[in-house]
Amino acid sequence: SAVISQKPSRDICQRGTSLTIQCQVDSQVTMMFWYRQQPGQSLTLIATANQGSEATYESGFVIDKFPISRPNLTFSTLTVSNMSPEDSSIYLCSVKLAGKQETQYFGPGTRLLVL
Amino acid sequence: AQTVTQSQPEMSVQEAETVTLSCTYDTSENNYYLFWYKQPPSRQMILVIRQEAYKQQNATENRFSVNFQKAAKSFSLKISDSQLGDTAMYFCAFMKPSSGAQKLVFGQGTRLTINP
Repeated sequence: SAVISQKPSRDICQRGTSLTIQCQVDSQVTMMFWYRQQPGQSLTLIATANQGSEATYESGFVIDKFPISRPNLTFSTLTVSNMSPEDSSIYLCSVKLAGKQETQYFGPGTRLLVL
Repeated sequence: AQTVTQSQPEMSVQEAETVTLSCTYDTSENNYYLFWYKQPPSRQMILVIRQEAYKQQNATENRFSVNFQKAAKSFSLKISDSQLGDTAMYFCAFMKPSSGAQKLVFGQGTRLTINP
């Protein structure tokens, strides 16, 4: 199985600032995704990270607020911009591994608190 | 749009007992995938089991098994011989395989507590 790492694991930020979260995988990856889990809630897909092109965003999420990069197959970043307390959530990356196409595996998540 | 419903917000059983978590979903698709994920307090989402809709046989993984009723759109998870380490949030999820969006649609989760 693959090792999926996220940095940072947690952070406390001031409103109005931005935070970039990194996701790194040690195996071949076909797809990468970013999810948000608000306190006490389930997971919601933010976007699909596309290598070398703009991410595909779900309804309710926009690039200006959540810019995403994927410069290569195994690395992606999610930035939470101009943060407000409502952005306090767990942010998780997930991947589809080569040869295991229909299953998503998750990173350990980044817990973000915005004051 | 697909929806996933978990009607049990919380459940609690004694260690070594068997527990069943319920999940229903709504879709017009014929081919899809269903998953159970576990999220312990560490918040890591861990895949427990998956089921392919075109397979009639219920998936099993050691102490975990599912009861997949396609016509009823039901996908319950049975945990046998429950252990303290099974304490976690359990999420049922649906995915439609296609060349387009392949997002997971999650239910609201069931908080399972295994008591010693």
